[in-house]
Amino acid sequence: AQTVTQSQPEMSVQEAETVTLSCTYDTSESDYYLFWYKQPPSRQMILVIRQEAYKQQNATENRFSVNFQKAAKSFSLKISDSQLGDAAMYFCAYRRPNNNAGNMLTFGGGTRLMVKP
Amino acid sequence: DTGVSQNPRHKITKRGQNVTFRCDPISEHNRLYWYRQTLGQGPEFLTYFQNEAQLEKSRLLSDRFSAERPKGSFSTLEIQRTEQGDSAMYLCASSPRQLAKNIQYFGAGTRLSVL
Repeated sequence: AQTVTQSQPEMSVQEAETVTLSCTYDTSESDYYLFWYKQPPSRQMILVIRQEAYKQQNATENRFSVNFQKAAKSFSLKISDSQLGDAAMYFCAYRRPNNNAGNMLTFGGGTRLMVKP
Repeated sequence: DTGVSQNPRHKITKRGQNVTFRCDPISEHNRLYWYRQTLGQGPEFLTYFQNEAQLEKSRLLSDRFSAERPKGSFSTLEIQRTEQGDSAMYLCASSPRQLAKNIQYFGAGTRLSVL
């Protein structure tokens, strides 16, 4: 079974600075998808960024980028120029390869990011 | 596109009572998922529908839990004889037909408190 581990329960960053959230996972598959979701307090979870395992290039979405190390099974999220609105719980998630078996997400335990003004 | 809608947002019930939650997915999304999230933890998969067919169920889904998706539109999750351990946020997500764009879109959840 796949597992996802986020070893940092809480992280803090100064506004405008850069922060990196860690995620490791365990799988025997060679093709899969990885995601970072953001869950603001009392609000719905939204997708931040996703990475296909077959792509060597790291995904980037504006201020958000990932460092995908397939051999090490590591998938960290870097947030540049942190903003107050980035404060939230961040979840790393894994999804099996595309098939008809549902593609449910396996989530890590989350990292609470605090942004200091 | 109004997003995934879940009702009610909050439910308080007494132990032993039955509760039912509703999820309205994004229109034309044929895949629908239920997850449970306890305080301070990541969501855990409960069950999955493709159209009206329930194709996967987690071992977390005890026989007190039942989910339906009649006509492949909205879905309901019922918990019978609630226990205090059922207290959690229940999240619904939907995703589109195209597998290449199989991103799951989440609702705001239903928070259940069992007294």
